[in-house]
Amino acid sequence: NAGVTQTPKFQVLKTGQSMTLQCAQDMNHEYMSWYRQDPGMGLRLIHYSVGAGITDQGEVPNGYNVSRSTTEDFPLRLLSAAPSQTSVYFCASSYLSTSGGDNEQFFGPGTRLTVL
Amino acid sequence: TQLLEQSPQFLSIQEGENLTVYCNSSSVFSSLQWYRQEPGEGPVLLVTVVTGGEVKKLKRLTFQFGDARKDSSLHITAAQPGDTGLYLCAGQGKVIFGPGTSLSVIP
Repeated sequence: NAGVTQTPKFQVLKTGQSMTLQCAQDMNHEYMSWYRQDPGMGLRLIHYSVGAGITDQGEVPNGYNVSRSTTEDFPLRLLSAAPSQTSVYFCASSYLSTSGGDNEQFFGPGTRLTVL
Repeated sequence: TQLLEQSPQFLSIQEGENLTVYCNSSSVFSSLQWYRQEPGEGPVLLVTVVTGGEVKKLKRLTFQFGDARKDSSLHITAAQPGDTGLYLCAGQGKVIFGPGTSLSVIP
């Protein structure tokens, strides 16, 4: 199993450009999510999905879109990049919680994005 | 809004020393998770604590969940350079992460 894969690993954009960060998992996990990590702020949830065709907003969704057409893939789209979106982006997946406690989230290696 | 605070923010110690890092909140959580993140990689789950007062051990790491399920601690005995990394606590598992404690263990 490859686990959770993310591409690209690094990206530099100019303000106003759009792009898609790719995320895929081969563990048949129902739950997938996107986080951004900024110094001193931990990970903040952008969007998440509990299954194909179902997405919802997290804590910081503005400026980002997602879709979940298959169980495996969960791309994150930046519509019009801004310098404030410079960050490291992590995709994660897990089984849905069934009882008591939360299932382990498996994280991808991250995409380091710089917006000039 | 539920928030998680972690202390200290940074910690640099010599190999062989013991240390404790903390994760605190004013809210009650049904569970807390601890992750370790190494530079350039994603976080990796260390443990999930569910029951108030619960203590879990993972080799030299001891995790405790507060009785009121509002706080948790991670104690490392005889730290080694391989313990270096960012330690993150997460409430509810999927949504709320603390800012992390950056640990550096010097050989």
